[in-house]
Amino acid sequence: GAVVSQHPSWVICKSGTSVKIECRSLDFQATTMFWYRQFPKQSLMLMATSNEGSKATYEQGVEKDKFLINHASLTLSTLTVTSAHPEDSSFYICSAREAGEETQYFGPGTRLLVL
Amino acid sequence: AQSVTQLDSQVPVFEEAPVELRCNYSSSVSVYLFWYVQYPNQGLQLLLKYLSGSTLVKGINGFEAEFNKSQTSFHLRKPSVHISDTAEYFCAVTSWSGNQFYFGTGTSLTVIP
Repeated sequence: GAVVSQHPSWVICKSGTSVKIECRSLDFQATTMFWYRQFPKQSLMLMATSNEGSKATYEQGVEKDKFLINHASLTLSTLTVTSAHPEDSSFYICSAREAGEETQYFGPGTRLLVL
Repeated sequence: AQSVTQLDSQVPVFEEAPVELRCNYSSSVSVYLFWYVQYPNQGLQLLLKYLSGSTLVKGINGFEAEFNKSQTSFHLRKPSVHISDTAEYFCAVTSWSGNQFYFGTGTSLTVIP
C-alpha cells in the first residue's frame, strides 16, 4: 500500500517551454501533497504544500508564477514549470499524505533537463 | 520549527559489518521521526518511523532505530550490511501538529565488498 507515482520520470525540453509533472496516489486519498526539489548530492528542498481543493502554499523564495501547482483531486497533483530555463533543471519529487496520517509517501521523482 | 543534523555525510563500511547512521534533531515540541532511503535516481522509500510507544523501532531490510529523547537522537542501525544497502539515507522530523518535514542533509552509505 501507500504507492505514489510520478509521470514522466524523465523530461528534456527546450528553454522557454512549459513542462507538467503529475503526481498520483495510487491506493490512498492524499489530502495533502508536497513538492520537493533536489539538487545533486543534496537534501530535499520543499517547494510547496498543496491541500486538495485549495491553493498551494509556497515556501519562501519559490516563485508561484513559475511553479504552478494544482491539486484538483484526492489522488492527483500537478506541477507545471512555466517557461523553463536551464537553471530549472533538477530532480523533482512529490510526496503525499493521507488525512490524519503522519507519514509522507514519496514518488519516484522526475528528472527535468532544460536545454 | 524543527531541524535535523546528520553528522556523517559519507559512511563506508565492509559487507557484513554493522553500521550506525547518526541523526540528531532539535525541537521545542514533541516530534515524529523518520528514516528514508534513496537509491540513485529514485524517490525516497520509508525505512521506519517513530510515532510513539517503544523507543526501539524496527523497519524494512533489517534496519532498526532507537529514539532517545534525552539525547534528541534517532540513530539508524543494521547489524550486518549488504551490497544492496548502498544508498543515500535521510532522517526527517515533523512535529505532532505540523505539516512540514524537515530533512537532514543525508548520509551516503557505501558497502564495500
